[in-house]
Amino acid sequence: EDQVTQSPEALRLQEGESSSLNCSYTVSGLRGLFWYRQDPGKGPEFLFTLYSAGEEKEKERLKATLTKKESFLHITAPKPEDSATYLCAVLTAGVYNFNKFYFGSGTKLNVKP
Amino acid sequence: ETGVTQSPTHLIKTRGQQVTLRCSSQSGHNTVSWYQQALGQGPQFIFQYYREEENGRGNFPPRFSGLQFPNYSSELNVNALELDDSALYLCASSSNKGNTEAFFGQGTRLTVV
Repeated sequence: EDQVTQSPEALRLQEGESSSLNCSYTVSGLRGLFWYRQDPGKGPEFLFTLYSAGEEKEKERLKATLTKKESFLHITAPKPEDSATYLCAVLTAGVYNFNKFYFGSGTKLNVKP
Repeated sequence: ETGVTQSPTHLIKTRGQQVTLRCSSQSGHNTVSWYQQALGQGPQFIFQYYREEENGRGNFPPRFSGLQFPNYSSELNVNALELDDSALYLCASSSNKGNTEAFFGQGTRLTVV
């Protein structure tokens, strides 16, 4: 069964304390892996798309990497404004080439000043 | 802010009623996806429309149906509402079926009583 699991569920960091969030997946026919940021009461905000193992993308203090079984979102020297829930999602091709998307439950990041 | 708008922002319905939620996609985007997000959970994929045709569907019963119009705006219809349908309903638009750089609206908060 296709599945996306994110860990940890919650993470508290001090400002400047770097860390990584994990997204592991078991899906057939991965077409893409996505990272989103979601603030309370808002829709998710797109961060990255990764397509193949070994691919990396960076944006400000964030860097996403992809292997055949998991993806990491590395946060370097985080600031309080990085506090949010980070969501991972995968796109697979189902029967008749119908798209299916699976989101993880998210990692709630809290960065203290 | 993204160019994706959803209406209404909040809605209260009674069990057994029907509801229609609306989404205007970002200019130039021909693909719309709908998601249900329960409190504290990641979004769950309902379905995707590409150029007015359903292009993907998650594990939701047939009482969840949708439409996409020639201007690529979309509707989500839910019949015979159940208490468990209470959630945030999110719409995302993208310029392709792969959902690359999908932009989400703010969502419609549906409460079923």
